[in-house]
Amino acid sequence: AQKVTQAQTEISVVEKEDVTLDCVYETRDTTYYLFWYKQPPSGELVFLIRRNSFDEQNEISGRYSWNFQKSTSSFNFTITASQVVDSAVYFCALRFRGNFNKFYFGSGTKLNVKP
Amino acid sequence: EAQVTQNPRYLITVTGKKLTVTCSQNMNHEYMSWYRQDPGLGLRQIYYSMNVEVTDKGDVPEGYKVSRKEKRNFPLILESPSPNQTSLYFCASSRDSRAYNTEAFFGQGTRLTVV
Repeated sequence: AQKVTQAQTEISVVEKEDVTLDCVYETRDTTYYLFWYKQPPSGELVFLIRRNSFDEQNEISGRYSWNFQKSTSSFNFTITASQVVDSAVYFCALRFRGNFNKFYFGSGTKLNVKP
Repeated sequence: EAQVTQNPRYLITVTGKKLTVTCSQNMNHEYMSWYRQDPGLGLRQIYYSMNVEVTDKGDVPEGYKVSRKEKRNFPLILESPSPNQTSLYFCASSRDSRAYNTEAFFGQGTRLTVV
């Protein structure tokens, strides 16, 4: 069965702290993609990154970085020097070759960044 | 601008009164889907469409109908809304129906309240 778990329901940090959002996934398929989406208070879903199952290179984009480890089935997201504008709900999602009709979403992690 | 447009953004209705939430995309995407977002549950798929006139049930289809008469439009129909359909709804589109490696683009969301 496919499943995405985001065990952290809510995290609060103070501005400029680093924060890591955890994502653990389950799938028997060897070919899949992982995604992160951001949902700011305004409600829309914003695509952040995708990573395929054959590419375990870490990705860095500005203050954002992603650590993909197949050995632990994790695809964690780190925000360095957090800012108030990073406050949002973050979703991790899985899409795999065996059932490309849907995205499997985690339950989301709400990040509160306080000034 | 490439986008997925949902209307209305907010809707309060009464039990049993039929309603339609419209969704339109301007990216010529084959794949479209509806999700509902509920606290602690993440996003769950209601229906999806692989192309014109091709639709299928997702994980939570009860109480909903869809149609795909044109490639760009994918309306969600609630024939007889009930309070348990109070939720935040998202329409999504993705380039290729069978490409699991593509991200989904989401609409702005429709917050529906059924009283």
